[in-house]
Amino acid sequence: GQNIDQPTEMTATEGAIVQINCTYQTSGFNGLFWYQQHAGEAPTFLSYNVLDGLEEKGRFSSFLSRSKGYSYLLLKELQMKDSASYLCAVTDSNYQLIWGAGTKLIIKP
Amino acid sequence: GAVVSQHPSWVICKSGTSVKIECRSLDFQATTMFWYRQFPKQSLMLMATSNEGSKATYEQGVEKDKFLINHASLTLSTLTVTSAHPEDSSFYICSARDLTTDNTEAFFGQGTRLTVV
Repeated sequence: GQNIDQPTEMTATEGAIVQINCTYQTSGFNGLFWYQQHAGEAPTFLSYNVLDGLEEKGRFSSFLSRSKGYSYLLLKELQMKDSASYLCAVTDSNYQLIWGAGTKLIIKP
Repeated sequence: GAVVSQHPSWVICKSGTSVKIECRSLDFQATTMFWYRQFPKQSLMLMATSNEGSKATYEQGVEKDKFLINHASLTLSTLTVTSAHPEDSSFYICSARDLTTDNTEAFFGQGTRLTVV
């Protein structure tokens, strides 16, 4: 079956760095997305990786290793507004999006 | 990025009535629309996938006669919750993708919070 694994919850301190991991087993691979979702709101797009390596976008970076079925989202200089759920999603060979359960990130002062 | 407009943002309805939720892609052709339901503190649960001009494909456990999906054009899809009950109260989110292009990003509507009383 198809599976996306990510931690349920993480806690970090304001100003620090946090890495949220995502591992996947899917039927084929056509890209991996990270979305941010604040409570009561729809997800918003953060990043898209289809090739191995690190994609940096401001305070957020996303890494992909296709051979390992692994990705991480790196958040630097954490701010209180970064408290949210972070969803990992993989596009399979049929271009279906397979969603992880999300990681709830709690930022403490 | 592309814009997907979902309406209404919230709705309260009486048990037994029907509610229609609209999802529009404003600046691109949404060949495929996805409807999700999200209960508090849970992740997105895919309800159904619809391609323009075709019948929707429902996920296991989702009643197609209760959750009517119409995707008659490349810019509009609707979800109608028929004979709503309190257990249908949830956050409903649509997302749209244009699978004819190389960009497979899913663009989300703002979501609709449905409360059935």
